Amino acid sequence: GAVVSQHPSRVICKSGTSVKIECRSLDFQATTMFWYRQFPKQSLMLMATSNEGSKATYEQGVEKDKFLINHASLTLSTLTVTSAHPEDSSFYICSAFRDTQYFGPGTRLTVL
Amino acid sequence: QQQVKQSPQSLIVQKGGISIINCAYENTAFDYFPWYQQFPGKGPALLIAIRPDVSEKKEGRFTISFNKSAKQFSLHIMDSQPGDSATYFCAASMNTGFQKLVFGTGTRLLVSP
Repeated sequence: GAVVSQHPSRVICKSGTSVKIECRSLDFQATTMFWYRQFPKQSLMLMATSNEGSKATYEQGVEKDKFLINHASLTLSTLTVTSAHPEDSSFYICSAFRDTQYFGPGTRLTVL
Repeated sequence: QQQVKQSPQSLIVQKGGISIINCAYENTAFDYFPWYQQFPGKGPALLIAIRPDVSEKKEGRFTISFNKSAKQFSLHIMDSQPGDSATYFCAASMNTGFQKLVFGTGTRLLVSP
């Protein structure tokens, strides 16, 4: 139990376009989900905390207008990277909270 | 005060040996200390976690040792196997992970055959 999925697993897009990443808790409901970003050979950096039915809480330095988070249901949170640029290329990982945080498999975003 | 310091940055261990990774924290409000294993291109997976009311927790070949007074905790991997080669992250949070996790910098473990 406690499986979290992400879609897509990989995405390549052109600079200036928007990309949506989905995070789903498959076998449990999660009122709280988290979004992380990880650069190569670095640790996970928390971007925002997503609560079902309310606005996300962003970490300091994370642009809320660039990284739009929507937690519309108890099993789905989405992260939209708006007007993506090459520096947004990274590995994006979500987690969903049940008794602890369970992590998704990650999404590799490459912006050309 | 929110930092978790992890060492070493990388570690090479022979098959069958013991791998030891250490972490230290400052915030005494932390009450949940998980360890995660991450393979390249994958999300982190919870290995084992401990709370400060116990000094040691063992699950199979993985053991967490916790020293509350020193504000340190460590992961021991007994009988290390090549399949254990991965990056390991310690983390800390308040309230069992419901609050945000603060991650260590990671340790890249290579177990040589």
